[in-house]
Amino acid sequence: SYVLTQPPSVSVAPRQTARITCGGDNIGGQTVHWYQKKPGQAPVLVVYDNSDRPSGIPERFSGSNSGNTATLTISRVEAGDEADYYCQVWDSSSDHPWVFGGGTKLTVL
Amino acid sequence: EVQLVESGGGLEQRGGSLRLSCAASGFTLSSYNMNWVRQAPGKGLECVSYISSGGNTIYYADSVKGRFTISRDNAKNSLYLQMNSLRDEDTAIYYCAREGMLRGVWVFDYWGQGTRVTVSS
Repeated sequence: SYVLTQPPSVSVAPRQTARITCGGDNIGGQTVHWYQKKPGQAPVLVVYDNSDRPSGIPERFSGSNSGNTATLTISRVEAGDEADYYCQVWDSSSDHPWVFGGGTKLTVL
Repeated sequence: EVQLVESGGGLEQRGGSLRLSCAASGFTLSSYNMNWVRQAPGKGLECVSYISSGGNTIYYADSVKGRFTISRDNAKNSLYLQMNSLRDEDTAIYYCAREGMLRGVWVFDYWGQGTRVTVSS
């Protein structure tokens, strides 16, 4: 099955830029989505199709995908961005095609 | 307004059974693929099971295959997860999630608030 690898944690000061990576074999050929998960709340889609934003998501959230790494970038980080972030792909070769990365805890210092 | 409301969680003994339900409103369930996703304590999100809109395509994670059964009743706008032979590692919050299309791409666009399942010996 397809494996997505994320760093367990990323720390960033307010107003700086956070970059969260998602590694996978030729992930650049996949369509990657990103979800934000806060404690006690349901996940929220923040970036889809590698780099698009759903309505209501600030422009500070952006994404890219190339080679073996997809990246979620959060510019001008705010305290409210502190959360877990998960990448997701559809891998038709897996028993269950929807695959999540292990998640990255974003800490705002 | 689209809403997904899970129910049926609780405390169950190891080896026991639970049936989770997800009540959908604000949209026609029969038009959408649906998923169950869980998060164990201190762990990440795991896709547990998928069912296509008509119910003819179903997937399970290896961790639950043979023990869990996903089903849907489109007439009742409801999604279900029958969980048998429960194990300690099934302890988690279980979410139902809708697959919607954004600009030609399938995503999990709506999620319920989750129902907690605790398996105890």
